[in-house]
Amino acid sequence: DAKTTQPPSMDCAEGRAANLPCNHSTISGNEYVYWYRQIHSQGPQYIIHGLKNNETNEMASLIITEDRKSSTLILPHATLRDTAVYYCIVRRTGNQFYFGTGTSLTVIP
Amino acid sequence: DVKVTQSSRYLVKRTGEKVFLECVQDMDHENMFWYRQDPGLGLRLIYFSYDVKMKEKGDIPEGYSVSREKKERFSLILESASTNQTSMYLCASSFTRVGEKLFFGSGTQLSVL
Repeated sequence: DAKTTQPPSMDCAEGRAANLPCNHSTISGNEYVYWYRQIHSQGPQYIIHGLKNNETNEMASLIITEDRKSSTLILPHATLRDTAVYYCIVRRTGNQFYFGTGTSLTVIP
Repeated sequence: DVKVTQSSRYLVKRTGEKVFLECVQDMDHENMFWYRQDPGLGLRLIYFSYDVKMKEKGDIPEGYSVSREKKERFSLILESASTNQTSMYLCASSFTRVGEKLFFGSGTQLSVL
């Protein structure tokens, strides 16, 4: 089963791009990578997901390496409201989603 | 918008009590999940269900049971609550199709005294 590894914490200056890395070296060919974020005391919120190609939506961009062993979530212009814990997730066999311990992102004014 | 509703935001119970946490989703999702979240440990899967009356153990099922009598409702049961079950409990649901995402409720903070 694929697992994910993320740095425990990161800082980013307000207005700059936040690049959050994730390693998922044991990912299988048909497993998607998902990103969620959680603001204190709330349920995790979906951000973006992808399989092979890079993806972009109104919240973020997802860059997946060609070998699919790692990915990067990009918040193009971080704001104070982006301060949260970000989880990189792969979908395990049997419809389970594996959550790691996430990256705590602090956006600094 | 998809809604996953957890019946209580905060709950305080005594050791030994039987505790029911309820979760309802309105999107006809096949899959429903219960996670617990503790500081430094991330989200850990307790149980999940892929259909009515079907359940599978997650990573930490000990001390918990679940019930899914209707497709939209998934209950987590603590048969005899203990202080080490004090935690944030999160319910989630999804379709089975590959590539579908998880939708979460806002969580229940349970304190067992």
